[in-house]
Amino acid sequence: DQQVKQNSPSLSVQEGRISILNCDYTNSMFDYFLWYKKYPAEGPTFLISISSIKDKNEDGRFTVFLNKSAKHLSLHIVPSQPGDSAVYFCAASEGNYGQNFVFGPGTRLSVLP
Amino acid sequence: DAGVTQSPTHLIKTRGQQVTLRCSPKSGHDTVSWYQQALGQGPQFIFQYYEEEERQRGNFPDRFSGHQFPNYSSELNVNALLLGDSALYLCASSLRQAFSGANVLTFGAGSRLTVL
Repeated sequence: DQQVKQNSPSLSVQEGRISILNCDYTNSMFDYFLWYKKYPAEGPTFLISISSIKDKNEDGRFTVFLNKSAKHLSLHIVPSQPGDSAVYFCAASEGNYGQNFVFGPGTRLSVLP
Repeated sequence: DAGVTQSPTHLIKTRGQQVTLRCSPKSGHDTVSWYQQALGQGPQFIFQYYEEEERQRGNFPDRFSGHQFPNYSSELNVNALLLGDSALYLCASSLRQAFSGANVLTFGAGSRLTVL
């Protein structure tokens, strides 16, 4: 039973265009969401987060949107760059410390020059 | 400032053997979590250690055990290895306090275990 789903295993985008990565969750107790990026042979690195009291968080080229009623969040990357090519994981947590994260299976983003 | 370091980076074992993986957390972090990432899947939470005690545990059998030392470093032990234990094992460190946006998990590069 996957609590965090990323239904697109892969996504290809032209350099300079917008990349939109989607994530759905089933557990309504999740109150904190994060996106991680992973390059080959490296550990996942934190990208951006959002708490359930917000519906949008922005950091430079990266924006995360949260739709609690739909249990859906998305990561927008604008403009996309070739260096953004990586696997992106959506993760969610519940509780005071939020350190037991549930990860989705990931979406492989390829930004084409 | 060194991040999270893990050893070994790669190892091969046979079914039934035991393995120990090691992790040094990022400087200033006091909590260590272990995750298993099977091929094509996202990381799956195994357990978390804080103050040398297991604080949370995911859905993993007792064959998976761990330890945290006074210097916050940690070990993951897996007994009676099965073929299905082949995966990338990720260690992540963090600071144990009321969760805020700044206190996210910092991951190491992982230890890739192959069970033959």
